[in-house]
Amino acid sequence: NAGVTQTPKFRILKIGQSMTLQCTQDMNHNYMYWYRQDPGMGLKLIYYSVGAGITDKGEVPNGYNVSRSTTEDFPLRLELAAPSQTSVYFCASSYSINRVIDQPQHFGDGTRLSIL
Amino acid sequence: KNQVEQSPQSLIILEGKNCTLQCNYTVSPFSNLRWYKQDTGRGPVSLTIMTFSENTKSNRRYTATLDADTKQSSLHITASQLSDSASYICVVSEYGNNRLAFGKGNQVVVIP
Repeated sequence: NAGVTQTPKFRILKIGQSMTLQCTQDMNHNYMYWYRQDPGMGLKLIYYSVGAGITDKGEVPNGYNVSRSTTEDFPLRLELAAPSQTSVYFCASSYSINRVIDQPQHFGDGTRLSIL
Repeated sequence: KNQVEQSPQSLIILEGKNCTLQCNYTVSPFSNLRWYKQDTGRGPVSLTIMTFSENTKSNRRYTATLDADTKQSSLHITASQLSDSASYICVVSEYGNNRLAFGKGNQVVVIP
């Protein structure tokens, strides 16, 4: 199994451009998450989804959009890229909290995004 | 606001030596605490989980402790190896929802 796969691994955008960060998981997890990790800071939750068709805002959702049309995929959209969105973005997935509690979030290897 | 504080921010240790990382939290109500290891350029990977009733848990050379009364956890690395060089992230889960509070991580560098 591949786990959580993120593409692209690296990207440089100009201010005002848009792009979609792709995330797919093959573990049949119902929960999926998007985080950003800035240097020296803890991960911050951008959006999450508890199942196909359901999404919710996290701690820092401004400037981003998500969709969840399938269980496997959870893309993150940046509509008007700004320098403040320069960061490393991590996608994660897990079983719901109603299943066995000892189930961690499984993370992808991240997308390193620079806005210039 | 629920917070997780980790110390030291970074440390350098000689291969073969032991080290202890600290995590203090204010998350309430508490559900569980998990330590993740994040290698450079990779996503975090879970090392161990501590629930309210657990005091100590070991995973190979990693030993985690939890004192739920003082809201403190530690991660002890025994006989460090070069592959232990990574950031160790403390993540505390709030009871009743899927909300997580992330620490900033302890950056460990093991030198030969």
